[in-house]
Amino acid sequence: ETGVTQTPRHLVMGMTNKKSLKCEQHLGHNAMYWYKQSAKKPLELMFVYSLEERVENNSVPSRFSPECPNSSHLFLHLHTLQPEDSALYLCASSQVPYEETQYFGPGTRLLVL
Amino acid sequence: GQNIDQPTEMTATEGAIVQINCTYQTSGFNGLFWYQQHAGEAPTFLSYNVLDGLEEKGRFSSFLSRSKGYSYLLLKELQMKDSASYLCAVLDSNYQLIWGAGTKLIIKP
Repeated sequence: ETGVTQTPRHLVMGMTNKKSLKCEQHLGHNAMYWYKQSAKKPLELMFVYSLEERVENNSVPSRFSPECPNSSHLFLHLHTLQPEDSALYLCASSQVPYEETQYFGPGTRLLVL
Repeated sequence: GQNIDQPTEMTATEGAIVQINCTYQTSGFNGLFWYQQHAGEAPTFLSYNVLDGLEEKGRFSSFLSRSKGYSYLLLKELQMKDSASYLCAVLDSNYQLIWGAGTKLIIKP
């Protein structure tokens, strides 16, 4: 079983749509992360969860809403997005928040029209 | 502010050696990571340095100088499959990972 999986791999949505990104980790880790990766820019950390509690929210617009129902699953709910939100959204997990090596999922390529 | 600098793009020849540099200015230091990311795929862990010096792992080596705020990733005997982006990231004093924008490495036959 692949360590960190993400679905869907590709998503096209209009600005008025509501969609959700899903991440699942099979590594028994306690921390999960959402990152945004735009072309030629550094990875932007969006949210961090440790043992299902949100420990960081880096000034992310409210149109992005995370949910962590258990330590293996992480969702990112999207609504009324803007074209500039088009990017690769990466999920990652680690045994301990921040300190340990992070394992990444393949990402969801999002296009907002 | 915190900053990670690495070249945007580099080109090298199959079988050769290439060095990808990373300089950083961060509030504190708790280690430096190198990740490899093939186009359309997830970043994968390559190396972690927290002490000065060279760490060798097969064809890949990573060097760190904390006093200079400098690291490099050395790739030897380049193969076509090494074409990818290489991301440098520093763990600061608050254990926040600060990421560079990545270096796209193009390998030519």
